[in-house]
Amino acid sequence: GAVVSQHPSRVICKSGTSVKIECRSLDFQATTMFWYRQFPKQSLMLMATSNEGSKATYEQGVEKDKFLINHASLTLSTLTVTSAHPEDSSFYICSARRLKGGPRETQYFGPGTRLLVL
Amino acid sequence: SQQGEEDPQALSIQEGENATMNCSYKTSINNLQWYRQNSGRGLVHLILIRSNEREKHSGRLRVTLDTSKKSSSLLITASRAADTASYFCATAATPSGAGSYQLTFGKGTKLSVIP
Repeated sequence: GAVVSQHPSRVICKSGTSVKIECRSLDFQATTMFWYRQFPKQSLMLMATSNEGSKATYEQGVEKDKFLINHASLTLSTLTVTSAHPEDSSFYICSARRLKGGPRETQYFGPGTRLLVL
Repeated sequence: SQQGEEDPQALSIQEGENATMNCSYKTSINNLQWYRQNSGRGLVHLILIRSNEREKHSGRLRVTLDTSKKSSSLLITASRAADTASYFCATAATPSGAGSYQLTFGKGTKLSVIP
């Protein structure tokens, strides 16, 4: 168990449009979900931490009005990149921590979403 | 800010050889985790070692942790071509005032195993 999915896996959009990325825990309930971004050949950088039913906590330097996070249920979190620009092109990865069962320190990662803004 | 720093940045070995990757970090941690990432894919959790542990094994993986030196190593024995991937260490700590662990990733080591 502990499968996390992301949708879409790849998206190309025009500059100025908004893009929504979904992150789902398929076979477990997640207390907390995390959103990361990864530039080519670089490490993952944590963008925000979200708990179900509460506002996300954003890392320093991440604009909360640009990267809207909604964590409406224990199995779904969404990241919306608003008014996307080419510099937002990146690989976005979510992860989830289990509510019950398994080590609480372990995060389960989704396969990632590659965003290309033209 | 980034916590873990992997060394080397890239490693190329022959199939059957052992691969050793190192990770150094700067602040106190609760645990340290190693992940693997195939090109353009998500991360796969490999192994977790807690701050009070010194060594851990999982199959062909061996992880050590030296909290006095703030360093960890990942050893992959008898490497296979399928082990080709990027390997990241991530330190887990609880930020002040927060209730849950956050992971901070290093830059990764790109491992190439030549058949």
